[in-house]
Amino acid sequence: DAEITQSPRHKITETGRQVTLACHQTWNHNNMFWYRQDLGHGLRLIHYSYGVQDTNKGEVSDGYSVSRSNTEDLPLTLESAASSQTSVYFCASSEGDEQFFGPGTRLTVL
Amino acid sequence: AQKITQTQPGMFVQEKEAVTLDCTYDTSDPSYGLFWYKQPSSGEMIFLIYQGSYDQQNATEGRYSLNFQKARKSANLVISASQLGDSAMYFCAMREGTGGGADGLTFGKGTHLIIQP
Repeated sequence: DAEITQSPRHKITETGRQVTLACHQTWNHNNMFWYRQDLGHGLRLIHYSYGVQDTNKGEVSDGYSVSRSNTEDLPLTLESAASSQTSVYFCASSEGDEQFFGPGTRLTVL
Repeated sequence: AQKITQTQPGMFVQEKEAVTLDCTYDTSDPSYGLFWYKQPSSGEMIFLIYQGSYDQQNATEGRYSLNFQKARKSANLVISASQLGDSAMYFCAMREGTGGGADGLTFGKGTHLIIQP
């Protein structure tokens, strides 16, 4: 069955370190997204991609970057982790209206 | 201004009763889509139902229906015959434009629904 996976599922890091969260989907969807979820805010869009070599900034993109070198993967990089980036991160993909979400990565920045 | 407003932070409902979760939205785009997702305590995001702005009929998926009132910019989720397993966070979300699924979603802050036996 097609799916979307995220790794790691949990990560603890220190302020200032570079962190990369992986997202891999096997639906062959062109559209992929990264969101963060914080209490009181719902989910907010960080970056999104319409296809290989395409990336776009979302609502809360400062301090994050993405790259899309193939259809299946959209890694999210925190260039210099900050405590404000402690959150749960969800990756999603879509081809039609429905977005399919990964299981999430809980990131703690100490 | 918030694009998606969910006014009920929490709700308690008796098992087997119907539940209505409120959602209002704000957009000037004539083409948009409205979604409801369920997030149980395990954390995954589960798609429930979708309504397009040009859809003439309210969307239904099993026990879920979306009460779409375009003039009022309202997209309430109705759960019929609630079950204990319906206890979860529920998020309303909107996609603006006709990106064919390429656009990110804007989410509300959610409603925590608790079904009581």
